[in-house]
Formats: sequence, C-alpha cells, structure tokens
Amino acid sequence: EVQLVQSGAEVKKPGESLRISCKGSGYSFTSYWISWVRQMPGKGLEWMGRIDPSDSYTNYSPSFQGHVTISADKSISTAYLQWSSLKASDTAMYYCLFGDKNGDYWGQGTLVTVSS
Amino acid sequence: QSALTQPASVSGSPGQSITISCTGTSSDVGSYNLVSWYQQHPGKAPKLMIYEVSKRPSGVSNRFSGSKSGNTASLTISGLQAEDEADYYCCSYAGSRVFGGGTKLTVL
Repeated sequence: EVQLVQSGAEVKKPGESLRISCKGSGYSFTSYWISWVRQMPGKGLEWMGRIDPSDSYTNYSPSFQGHVTISADKSISTAYLQWSSLKASDTAMYYCLFGDKNGDYWGQGTLVTVSS
Repeated sequence: QSALTQPASVSGSPGQSITISCTGTSSDVGSYNLVSWYQQHPGKAPKLMIYEVSKRPSGVSNRFSGSKSGNTASLTISGLQAEDEADYYCCSYAGSRVFGGGTKLTVL
C-alpha cells in the first residue's frame, strides 16, 4: 500500500527552528517528486515547493522561497520541510504529496502551531 | 503564479447537478491536461476526486466528472448527496502546482 506518513503535531515559539517529516512507503521513493502544501486556518491550499528525492533538486514557489527549506534523505525514504526561525504566521497544517500515473497521494498532514 | 479562480460558493439540492469552474491562464490550465480536483471535509486531508482533467481514481463515484475548455476546467457533481457538502479545490500541476482558492459546496 502506498503511504506518506507525516510526523506529529508541533507547538513552537516564535524564533524557534523546526523540521517536519514525510516518510514514503509502498512505492519507489526516488521516482516521484514530493511536494509540500500549506493550509492556514480556515484558508485554502498553497503549493510551497517540491523536491526530486533522487538528487534533492528543489523548486520553490516564489511565495515561500527563502522562508523554508525542503530536503530529502532517500536512504530512509523521507522528505523534510524546515524552518530556521518560525513566525506566528507559520501556524498552519502542512501536507506532503506526490503524483503518479494513477493520481496523487497525500500525507495525513502535520499541524504546526507557533505561539508565544 | 496566481491562484486559479473558483467561485467562493455553490449550492444545490439533493439529486441535482452542480458545476464548479476553475479559471486559469494559457500558461497553466490552458496548456496542459494536468488539472486535478480535491474534496476536503472539515478537519480532513484533501481527497483526490479527478486527475488529468477527467480521470477518476479508483473508488471515486462516477457522479463526479471533470472537463476542460480553453483556460477553464470544470467539476460536475451529479445526483447531489448530503455527503458531497465540502470544500472543493482545483489544481494545475505541470511541474509546479497552483491551486484554486476553493469553493464551498452547500447541499440544501
């Protein structure tokens, strides 16, 4: 069974760093780009960027370039989304996903709450 | 890239059909047959309903159908049911992805 399993909810303070993860299983992890999507409370879906796990090449949405870092460790089939200094406005649900010829597959989401 | 344009809300009665539009540009929706639609119930992850404009993943009801004309894609739901009440998002995914702003479907 194809699965993307994300790490658990996080509560952080402004200025702290954070890395959340997305572990793939049931498919060839290096064959498909992994994307990250943000959903702020009560708002729509926003594409943040993507990574090719085979070589860690990345594309970012201009809206997120420089604010987050996407990485991957193909040896453990895991992609990451990282912040060096969180802001309250980073409070959101974050999803990872990938697409193949049969459609796409999403993780269950990771809720990140940033509050002082 | 700007977000794709969807109506903020649509509504219909049980058994009726509704259509949600998704307007992009010649650089995204108009260029590729790579448009997907997602259903999202409150507190849940998005669920893929349509991909490549008109294909349904296994397990999705055939009451859901997709089409495209020019720079506008559409999702049609026929035989509306109460459980169809949700938010719906379109997405163009040629390389990078761009989502629509979302449409709230109310089943009256």
